[in-house]
Amino acid sequence: ETGVTQSPTHLIKTRGQQVTLRCSSQSGHNTVSWYQQALGQGPQFIFQYYREEENGRGNFPPRFSGLQFPNYSSELNVNALELDDSALYLCASSRTSGNTIYFGEGSWLTVV
Amino acid sequence: GESVGLHLPTLSVQEGDNSIINCAYSNSASDYFIWYKQESGKGPQFIIDIRSNMDKRQGQRVTVLLNKTVKHLSLQIAATQPGDSAVYFCAEIEDSGAGSYQLTFGKGTKLSVIP
Repeated sequence: ETGVTQSPTHLIKTRGQQVTLRCSSQSGHNTVSWYQQALGQGPQFIFQYYREEENGRGNFPPRFSGLQFPNYSSELNVNALELDDSALYLCASSRTSGNTIYFGEGSWLTVV
Repeated sequence: GESVGLHLPTLSVQEGDNSIINCAYSNSASDYFIWYKQESGKGPQFIIDIRSNMDKRQGQRVTVLLNKTVKHLSLQIAATQPGDSAVYFCAEIEDSGAGSYQLTFGKGTKLSVIP
């Protein structure tokens, strides 16, 4: 158990809809990152949050957005869903130093 | 951009043998590397990490070796067990500034243990 919990575990959305995924980080970890993992690929960095602000972003369009709350939990929001957004979305938490980054089990998103 | 990659996409080993999974990286500025194990349908599980000021680190049944001269990482698993069957990723930390720690993953190596 990593202490990183994500919800929901699976969901199906229609193209054009919006989705919100949630993550609770491990106790004591104030940095949360989100990754997208397509089938058969390695995870791709979406963005990172620290102290409720985005402080790093990968090559993802603005329709991917997020929030971090005072208790360090986080949300990933994706607007105007596309078929290619179908993937496993992973949340990772760490201390500020970046040491020992732990992942949750992910949320499987299918866009139809 | 620079990336982390793996030499072999699949590896089959006999139960009880040692496994070696290799990884090449191209960003010479990276100073922190992590190996993850990912079982089917699950998130990546932290195995072991190493910083660039070290060339070897050992854990329980696992050893990571770092060769900075040729930018190469390896994960050695001793006495491989059926439960070790999974996809293994190496990842490097890129500090993109302002305290942001971005992991860059390779495509992974699938390890299959033959009973």
